[in-house]
Amino acid sequence: DVKVTQSSRYLVKRTGEKVFLECVQDMDHENMFWYRQDPGLGLRLIYFSYDVKMKEKGDIPEGYSVSREKKERFSLILESASTNQTSMYLCASSLSTGTSEAFFGQGTRLTVV
Amino acid sequence: RKEVEQDPGPFNVPEGATVAFNCTYSNSASQSFFWYRQDCRKEPKLLMSVYSSGNEDGRFTAQLNRASQYISLLIRDSKLSDSATYLCVPDTGGGNKLTFGTGTQLKVEL
Repeated sequence: DVKVTQSSRYLVKRTGEKVFLECVQDMDHENMFWYRQDPGLGLRLIYFSYDVKMKEKGDIPEGYSVSREKKERFSLILESASTNQTSMYLCASSLSTGTSEAFFGQGTRLTVV
Repeated sequence: RKEVEQDPGPFNVPEGATVAFNCTYSNSASQSFFWYRQDCRKEPKLLMSVYSSGNEDGRFTAQLNRASQYISLLIRDSKLSDSATYLCVPDTGGGNKLTFGTGTQLKVEL
């Protein structure tokens, strides 16, 4: 089974802190994604990466950056956390061939106070 | 126009009922889709894929209507455990991102 693991299930950070959310997948997938999910807004794509060191902006990249130094790991960085970044963050991975079926991590519920 | 649109619900149905909900899509070139299921406070998980021929898996039947550009999901004999949010997503092919709608919330009640 594909396994996508996010480093934290729950996280509480203070406004202005630099926050790192880590995601690791064990199926050698080329593509990795970061989404955030808010009530009434569904899943919105923040950034995605289709290869090591490659990244593309999604629909809502403002206030976020990403890092992909190794194929299995994709990090989301909040440079200076703000209260409007309180959300559920979901990491996903998929293959570069065939279908675009994605496999998700368990999610990180981030609260910025 | 959004790539996919779904009625957010909630659809409240009694246990044992048959329920159906649709998802409309804007890209007429889309040929296949996914239905994902997301339980409360959990991650989305693939429920089934949908192709032009439709798909059936036990109590779940998915259809694709390309002329009217919508996908449907039919659940027969609803169980309490079917309570979840159902998300439809176009299959954009390997290497591409998934774009989700808001999903449809289903609540199955005693």
